[in-house]
Amino acid sequence: DAKTTQPNSMESNEEEPVHLPCNHSTISGTDYIHWYRQLPSQGPEYVIHGLTSNVNNRMASLAIAEDRKSSTLILHRATLRDAAVYYCILMGGGADGLTFGKGTHLIIQP
Amino acid sequence: DAGVIQSPRHEVTEMGQEVTLRCKPISGHNSLFWYRQTMMRGLELLIYFNNNVPIDDSGMPEDRFSAKMPNASFSTLKIQPSEPRDSAVYFCASSRNRQGNTEAFFGQGTRLTVV
Repeated sequence: DAKTTQPNSMESNEEEPVHLPCNHSTISGTDYIHWYRQLPSQGPEYVIHGLTSNVNNRMASLAIAEDRKSSTLILHRATLRDAAVYYCILMGGGADGLTFGKGTHLIIQP
Repeated sequence: DAGVIQSPRHEVTEMGQEVTLRCKPISGHNSLFWYRQTMMRGLELLIYFNNNVPIDDSGMPEDRFSAKMPNASFSTLKIQPSEPRDSAVYFCASSRNRQGNTEAFFGQGTRLTVV
């Protein structure tokens, strides 16, 4: 069963902000929200994670809804190098491993 | 640290042969994950270890697949006998622990082709 739901693809223009949505209505209280991305011909790469509060790092920002049933990854100024598949994943402390869904294929137009 | 190191980067083998993929996790990381990626099925979690012990191997497709972690710095994924449908990119990842508040780091993958 898919724990998260993401759009299959999104398109944005270079140097504009990108908001990637993720729904996770069955999230439990101990689940962290993780985002990874996979550039062409590379392994997945960690982007950001959070539990309840919004998070910022050098790569992106993570906005988490108050009920935690959805979140948004924000790339503040997209570049062509941000074109990748972005995965939203729930990770708790139980027996579940890090399970990937189909992700969102982000296309950046010059 | 050099990151998660996988070997070989590419492997071409004939159907029926044994294939062994290797992974060296980041030093100090206690959790290790093996994945398989194909166009049709995406990224599939095959098995993961915590403190060298397999926690969940429900993703291992068949008895032809086996994984070991003899110590904290080395893991292998073996396919015996290999079949053409095993052709895929296999990734290894490690994290400090399996709690949700730590990130995972991935290797560059092994591209396996079974002919």
